Amino acid sequence: DGGITQSPKYLFRKEGQNVTLSCEQNLNHDAMYWYRQDPGQGLRLIYYSQIVNDFQKGDIAEGYSVSREKKESFPLTVTSAQKNPTAFYLCASSSGPGELFFGEGSRLTVL
Amino acid sequence: GENVEQHPSTLSVQEGDSAVIKCTYSDSASNYFPWYKQELGKRPQLIIDIRSNVGEKKDQRIAVTLNKTAKHFSLHITETQPEDSAVYFCAAGGSQGNLIFGKGTKLSVKP
Repeated sequence: DGGITQSPKYLFRKEGQNVTLSCEQNLNHDAMYWYRQDPGQGLRLIYYSQIVNDFQKGDIAEGYSVSREKKESFPLTVTSAQKNPTAFYLCASSSGPGELFFGEGSRLTVL
Repeated sequence: GENVEQHPSTLSVQEGDSAVIKCTYSDSASNYFPWYKQELGKRPQLIIDIRSNVGEKKDQRIAVTLNKTAKHFSLHITETQPEDSAVYFCAAGGSQGNLIFGKGTKLSVKP
């Protein structure tokens, strides 16, 4: 069953901790993306990667880091430098300029 | 970079009426304009898209129009039904593949 899988679905973090959100796809897509969703703010681009071992910052990259060591995987680390990390995080992939396929999302709450 | 403005932020219609959501974009190099529907607690899903070489595209009750000169595009839903109630996002993208989203429109269809 092809698709894009995010884990965990829910995550709680204490202030000052780094957390990593997982994103795996078996669609053989070259491009992968991370978006952050806040109420009334739409989807804001954090990082994207068009090819393995390469990635670019989006509009709100500060406080986040990513890696792309494998085509199938694009993990996002929310660092302690991110001032307001509580949000819904969506990972997506695409085969090129065109439709994005989204994962089910990960909801991060800072306690 | 690209900036996408979306209006209105909320829209309430009676079942059977039409709904129109409008978006403007800033980057004249953008050439791909999708619309996503997000139901509560679910991932965004593509409902229709248009590329810059066409002015209008229809799919049953849904249509999208694009005016490249004015840099705006619109979503039209006819004969609305309660199951059309959701948040709708427009987006704009170019050859890089990364999409910039509007802030969303919450559509409520009252039976």
